Amino acid sequence: GAVVSQHPSRVICKSGTSVKIECRSLDFQATTMFWYRQFPKQSLMLMATSNEGSKATYEQGVEKDKFLINHASLTLSTLTVTSAHPEDSSFYICSARDMGDGYTFGSGTRLTVV
Amino acid sequence: QQQVKQSPQSLIVQKGGISIINCAYENTAFDYFPWYQQFPGKGPALLIAIRPDVSEKKEGRFTISFNKSAKQFSLHIMDSQPGDSATYFCAARINQAGTALIFGKGTTLSVSS
Repeated sequence: GAVVSQHPSRVICKSGTSVKIECRSLDFQATTMFWYRQFPKQSLMLMATSNEGSKATYEQGVEKDKFLINHASLTLSTLTVTSAHPEDSSFYICSARDMGDGYTFGSGTRLTVV
Repeated sequence: QQQVKQSPQSLIVQKGGISIINCAYENTAFDYFPWYQQFPGKGPALLIAIRPDVSEKKEGRFTISFNKSAKQFSLHIMDSQPGDSATYFCAARINQAGTALIFGKGTTLSVSS
């Protein structure tokens, strides 16, 4: 089946620094990838839609200058949290639409900003 | 109109029992309805999915029932096991290029042994 690999699984960074999260589709090409944020005991909140070779589309309320998304190839999308602050601490999950109807999710990245 | 409403928020079922989670939607443009299972600290994993032209789909112990006229769909977990304890999300999608899934708020299932 389709596999989406997400790294790192956990990251701790100091306030003010930037963190990059990678999302790779291992056995299929993903024209579109999605980035979600999930707070404890809550649902997945769509942050942005990433299209290969073009600018990402951000959901209302998501700061595009803080959450930089790059989708430079059909198998790789990255999310960079710039100038991270403690309120950015969360669980970030990527997803890609696979060859059929399905959406495959990465294993998530737990970001802790101290 | 874009929402998917999920209930209950939490559910406790005895081992061997049936777990039932319900979802409702308004947007008739939705054409794909998956259920995901998520364990703590992990990404969601697809359990089973259905399209609106089918009223029921079964895969092992998991069954989706779909009522197009009522705009409702539900997940039934037969013979629930402690290993099924997880958070379950229903979702829906409009079939347009590049559209993301819209998720329900989730149901935390605990199966007691």
